[in-house]
Amino acid sequence: NAGVTQTPKFRVLKTGQSMTLLCAQDMNHEYMYWYRQDPGMGLRLIHYSVGEGTTAKGEVPDGYNVSRLKKQNFLLGLESAAPSQTSVYFCASSYTGTSRETQYFGPGTRLLVL
Amino acid sequence: SQQGEEDPQALSIQEGENATMNCSYKTSINNLQWYRQNSGRGLVHLILIRSNEREKHSGRLRVTLDTSKKSSSLLITASRAADTASYFCAAPKETSGSRLTFGEGTQLTVNP
Repeated sequence: NAGVTQTPKFRVLKTGQSMTLLCAQDMNHEYMYWYRQDPGMGLRLIHYSVGEGTTAKGEVPDGYNVSRLKKQNFLLGLESAAPSQTSVYFCASSYTGTSRETQYFGPGTRLLVL
Repeated sequence: SQQGEEDPQALSIQEGENATMNCSYKTSINNLQWYRQNSGRGLVHLILIRSNEREKHSGRLRVTLDTSKKSSSLLITASRAADTASYFCAAPKETSGSRLTFGEGTQLTVNP
């Protein structure tokens, strides 16, 4: 099993450009999450999904959109990138029920917005 | 507001010594988790302790939970250079929810 994978690993964008980050998991998890991590800070939840076709806002959703068209994929979109969105983005997934408490993380995507 | 806050922010020890990290949280929880993050990598789940447990062990890891003080500690015994990483505590935003709030982490450096 590959677990949770993220593409791309690294990307440089200019202000105003758009991009989509892809997260894929092969563990048949219902729940998926997108976080951002900034220097000296913990992870902050951007959006999450509790199942295929559903999405919900987290702590810092502004400037981002998400889609969960397939159970195994969770896409994070930046419509018009801003320098404040320079960060490392992590995707995670978890089971349902009491097992949903443990999250499995991808390796991260480093995004630099100039 | 942060649910989990770690202390200290950074810790540097020699190989073979024990490392203790603390975490405080604000609201009632049904579990608390610890994760490790190696430099440039994603987080890896280490251990989960439930609110009705006071102590839990996993290999060289020992976690305690004091619900009256809303605090937890992670002890790594006989540390190794490979333990060098950032350690985060995480607690559910809601009592039975799946969303987690992470602290800012403790950067542990184990010197050979």
